[in-house]
Amino acid sequence: QKEVEQDPGPLSVPEGAIVSLNCTYSNSAFQYFMWYRQYSRKGPELLMYTYSSGNKEDGRFTAQVDKSSKYISLFIRDSQPSDSATYLCAMNEGKLIFGQGTELSVKP
Amino acid sequence: EAQVTQNPRYLITVTGKKLTVTCSQNMNHEYMSWYRQDPGLGLRQIYYSMNVEVTDKGDVPEGYKVSRKEKRNFPLILESPSPNQTSLYFCASSPGLGGWGLSGNTIYFGEGSWLTVV
Repeated sequence: QKEVEQDPGPLSVPEGAIVSLNCTYSNSAFQYFMWYRQYSRKGPELLMYTYSSGNKEDGRFTAQVDKSSKYISLFIRDSQPSDSATYLCAMNEGKLIFGQGTELSVKP
Repeated sequence: EAQVTQNPRYLITVTGKKLTVTCSQNMNHEYMSWYRQDPGLGLRQIYYSMNVEVTDKGDVPEGYKVSRKEKRNFPLILESPSPNQTSLYFCASSPGLGGWGLSGNTIYFGEGSWLTVV
Protein backbone atom coordinates (compact mmCIF):
# COMPACT_ATOMS: atom_id res chain seq x y z
CA GLN A 1 0.00 0.00 0.00
CA LYS A 2 1.31 3.43 -0.93
CA GLU A 3 1.77 5.90 1.90
CA VAL A 4 -0.23 8.51 0.01
CA GLU A 5 -3.06 7.67 -2.38
CA GLN A 6 -4.51 10.14 -4.86
CA ASP A 7 -6.97 9.49 -7.67
CA PRO A 8 -5.12 10.41 -10.87
CA GLY A 9 -8.30 11.43 -12.71
CA PRO A 10 -8.55 12.98 -15.20
CA LEU A 11 -11.27 15.16 -13.76
CA SER A 12 -13.20 17.43 -16.13
CA VAL A 13 -15.58 20.11 -14.85
CA PRO A 14 -17.38 23.11 -16.37
CA GLU A 15 -16.21 26.61 -15.56
CA GLY A 16 -17.68 27.87 -12.30
CA ALA A 17 -18.00 24.41 -10.72
CA ILE A 18 -16.77 23.56 -7.24
CA VAL A 19 -13.91 21.10 -7.45
CA SER A 20 -12.97 18.65 -4.72
CA LEU A 21 -9.58 16.96 -4.83
CA ASN A 22 -8.63 14.37 -2.25
CA CYS A 23 -5.81 12.30 -0.84
CA THR A 24 -5.71 9.56 1.74
CA TYR A 25 -2.68 8.52 3.67
CA SER A 26 -1.61 5.73 5.97
CA ASN A 27 1.11 7.26 8.17
CA SER A 28 -0.45 8.88 11.24
CA ALA A 29 2.84 10.67 11.95
CA PHE A 30 2.30 13.13 9.08
CA GLN A 31 1.85 16.63 10.45
CA TYR A 32 2.41 18.93 7.49
CA PHE A 33 0.17 18.79 4.47
CA MET A 34 0.65 20.59 1.21
CA TRP A 35 -0.98 20.99 -2.17
CA TYR A 36 1.12 21.67 -5.22
CA ARG A 37 -0.14 22.76 -8.62
CA GLN A 38 1.68 21.67 -11.75
CA TYR A 39 0.90 23.18 -15.12
CA SER A 40 1.74 21.21 -18.22
CA ARG A 41 5.49 21.12 -18.90
CA LYS A 42 6.25 23.07 -15.72
CA GLY A 43 7.56 22.24 -12.28
CA PRO A 44 5.18 21.94 -9.31
CA GLU A 45 4.53 25.10 -7.30
CA LEU A 46 3.26 25.31 -3.74
CA LEU A 47 -0.41 26.24 -3.60
CA MET A 48 -1.51 25.62 -0.03
CA TYR A 49 0.12 24.54 3.20
CA THR A 50 -1.54 23.38 6.44
CA TYR A 51 -0.31 22.01 9.70
CA SER A 52 -2.24 19.27 11.54
CA SER A 53 -6.02 19.15 11.32
CA GLY A 54 -8.37 21.91 10.27
CA ASN A 55 -9.16 24.18 7.37
CA LYS A 56 -7.21 26.88 5.61
CA GLU A 57 -8.63 29.25 3.06
CA ASP A 58 -6.85 31.32 0.44
CA GLY A 59 -9.08 33.07 -2.06
CA ARG A 60 -10.99 30.45 -4.04
CA PHE A 61 -8.97 27.61 -2.51
CA THR A 62 -9.66 25.78 0.75
CA ALA A 63 -7.45 23.04 2.14
CA GLN A 64 -8.94 20.68 4.68
CA VAL A 65 -7.20 18.08 6.83
CA ASP A 66 -8.96 15.35 8.78
CA LYS A 67 -6.27 13.49 10.67
CA SER A 68 -8.73 11.12 12.33
CA SER A 69 -9.72 9.82 8.90
CA LYS A 70 -6.25 10.31 7.37
CA TYR A 71 -7.87 12.31 4.60
CA ILE A 72 -7.04 15.68 3.09
CA SER A 73 -8.96 17.73 0.55
CA LEU A 74 -8.51 20.74 -1.66
CA PHE A 75 -11.63 22.63 -2.71
CA ILE A 76 -11.65 25.08 -5.59
CA ARG A 77 -14.63 27.41 -5.77
CA ASP A 78 -15.75 29.11 -8.98
CA SER A 79 -13.24 27.09 -10.97
CA GLN A 80 -11.62 28.77 -13.96
CA PRO A 81 -9.98 27.40 -17.11
CA SER A 82 -6.70 28.72 -15.69
CA ASP A 83 -7.09 26.19 -12.85
CA SER A 84 -6.54 23.38 -15.36
CA ALA A 85 -3.44 21.62 -14.08
CA THR A 86 -2.30 18.58 -12.15
CA TYR A 87 -2.72 18.91 -8.40
CA LEU A 88 -0.39 16.97 -6.14
CA CYS A 89 -0.85 16.48 -2.44
CA ALA A 90 2.27 16.13 -0.33
CA MET A 91 2.96 15.28 3.29
CA ASN A 92 5.98 15.58 5.47
CA GLU A 93 7.38 13.41 8.19
CA GLY A 94 11.12 13.88 7.94
CA LYS A 95 10.85 13.71 4.19
CA LEU A 96 8.27 14.80 1.70
CA ILE A 97 5.93 12.19 0.22
CA PHE A 98 3.90 13.12 -2.85
CA GLY A 99 0.66 11.71 -4.13
CA GLN A 100 0.63 10.82 -7.81
CA GLY A 101 -1.40 13.87 -8.74
CA THR A 102 -4.91 14.50 -10.07
CA GLU A 103 -5.24 15.99 -13.55
CA LEU A 104 -7.95 18.65 -13.61
CA SER A 105 -9.48 20.21 -16.70
CA VAL A 106 -11.88 23.16 -16.38
CA LYS A 107 -13.88 23.66 -19.56
CA PRO A 108 -15.09 27.16 -20.57
CA GLU B 1 13.96 36.49 -9.61
CA ALA B 2 14.07 33.32 -7.49
CA GLN B 3 14.91 30.47 -9.82
CA VAL B 4 15.92 26.86 -10.07
CA THR B 5 17.46 26.32 -13.49
CA GLN B 6 17.93 22.93 -15.07
CA ASN B 7 19.67 21.99 -18.28
CA PRO B 8 19.07 20.43 -20.67
CA ARG B 9 15.29 20.69 -20.76
CA TYR B 10 14.97 17.97 -23.37
CA LEU B 11 17.43 15.20 -24.21
CA ILE B 12 17.36 11.98 -26.18
CA THR B 13 20.38 9.79 -25.56
CA VAL B 14 21.50 6.23 -26.11
CA THR B 15 21.95 3.46 -23.58
CA GLY B 16 25.29 3.64 -21.80
CA LYS B 17 26.27 7.15 -22.81
CA LYS B 18 27.08 9.14 -19.68
CA LEU B 19 25.13 12.32 -19.20
CA THR B 20 24.81 15.09 -16.66
CA VAL B 21 21.78 17.22 -15.94
CA THR B 22 22.80 20.47 -14.32
CA CYS B 23 20.83 22.31 -11.65
CA SER B 24 21.49 25.73 -10.24
CA GLN B 25 19.56 27.87 -7.73
CA ASN B 26 20.02 31.57 -7.00
CA MET B 27 18.33 31.68 -3.58
CA ASN B 28 21.24 30.56 -1.41
CA HIS B 29 19.20 27.55 -0.30
CA GLU B 30 20.81 24.83 1.77
CA TYR B 31 18.56 21.97 0.67
CA MET B 32 18.52 20.64 -2.86
CA SER B 33 17.03 17.50 -4.29
CA TRP B 34 16.35 15.58 -7.46
CA TYR B 35 13.04 13.93 -8.27
CA ARG B 36 11.78 11.87 -11.14
CA GLN B 37 8.15 11.93 -12.20
CA ASP B 38 6.58 8.96 -13.93
CA PRO B 39 2.93 8.30 -14.88
CA GLY B 40 1.11 6.50 -12.09
CA LEU B 41 4.05 6.82 -9.71
CA GLY B 42 4.13 10.54 -9.02
CA LEU B 43 7.23 12.33 -7.82
CA ARG B 44 9.93 10.14 -6.32
CA GLN B 45 13.05 11.46 -4.70
CA ILE B 46 16.36 10.32 -6.17
CA TYR B 47 18.96 12.10 -4.05
CA TYR B 48 19.04 15.08 -1.76
CA SER B 49 21.64 17.35 -0.25
CA MET B 50 21.43 19.18 3.04
CA ASN B 51 24.45 21.36 2.35
CA VAL B 52 27.75 21.51 0.50
CA GLU B 53 29.47 18.11 0.43
CA VAL B 54 26.48 16.50 2.21
CA THR B 55 24.36 14.23 0.04
CA ASP B 56 22.12 11.26 0.73
CA LYS B 57 20.01 8.73 -1.12
CA GLY B 58 16.33 9.22 -1.66
CA ASP B 59 13.85 6.53 -2.58
CA VAL B 60 15.15 5.62 -6.04
CA PRO B 61 18.92 6.30 -6.15
CA GLU B 62 20.01 3.32 -8.25
CA GLY B 63 21.77 4.34 -11.46
CA TYR B 64 22.29 7.95 -10.39
CA LYS B 65 25.05 10.00 -8.81
CA VAL B 66 25.10 13.53 -7.49
CA SER B 67 27.62 15.99 -6.14
CA ARG B 68 27.36 19.21 -4.18
CA LYS B 69 30.65 21.06 -4.43
CA GLU B 70 29.03 24.50 -4.34
CA LYS B 71 25.89 25.63 -2.59
CA ARG B 72 24.14 26.77 -5.75
CA ASN B 73 24.79 23.72 -7.95
CA PHE B 74 23.57 20.14 -7.68
CA PRO B 75 24.19 18.14 -10.87
CA LEU B 76 22.57 14.76 -11.52
CA ILE B 77 24.82 12.24 -13.22
CA LEU B 78 23.71 9.15 -15.09
CA GLU B 79 26.91 7.16 -15.56
CA SER B 80 25.38 4.50 -17.82
CA PRO B 81 21.80 5.43 -18.68
CA SER B 82 19.27 2.71 -19.37
CA PRO B 83 15.79 2.91 -20.93
CA ASN B 84 14.12 2.58 -17.50
CA GLN B 85 15.62 5.96 -16.65
CA THR B 86 13.46 7.59 -19.30
CA SER B 87 11.51 10.08 -17.24
CA LEU B 88 10.80 13.69 -16.36
CA TYR B 89 13.36 14.96 -13.87
CA PHE B 90 12.96 17.87 -11.48
CA CYS B 91 15.53 19.63 -9.39
CA ALA B 92 14.25 21.39 -6.29
CA SER B 93 15.61 23.61 -3.54
CA SER B 94 14.39 24.87 -0.20
CA PRO B 95 15.68 27.01 2.65
CA GLY B 96 15.13 23.82 4.70
CA LEU B 97 15.36 24.16 8.45
CA GLY B 98 14.82 20.62 9.58
CA GLY B 99 13.54 19.11 6.41
CA TRP B 100 11.47 19.50 3.34
CA GLY B 101 8.37 21.55 3.71
CA LEU B 102 8.66 22.11 7.44
CA SER B 103 7.79 25.43 9.00
CA GLY B 104 6.20 26.61 5.81
CA ASN B 105 9.41 26.47 3.84
CA THR B 106 8.47 26.51 0.21
CA ILE B 107 10.13 24.04 -2.11
CA TYR B 108 11.05 25.59 -5.43
CA PHE B 109 11.11 23.30 -8.44
CA GLY B 110 12.90 23.74 -11.71
CA GLU B 111 10.95 23.47 -14.95
CA GLY B 112 11.93 19.87 -15.55
CA SER B 113 14.20 17.90 -17.85
CA TRP B 114 12.61 15.42 -20.22
CA LEU B 115 15.07 12.57 -20.67
CA THR B 116 14.62 9.73 -23.14
CA VAL B 117 17.08 6.84 -23.22
CA VAL B 118 16.89 4.64 -26.31
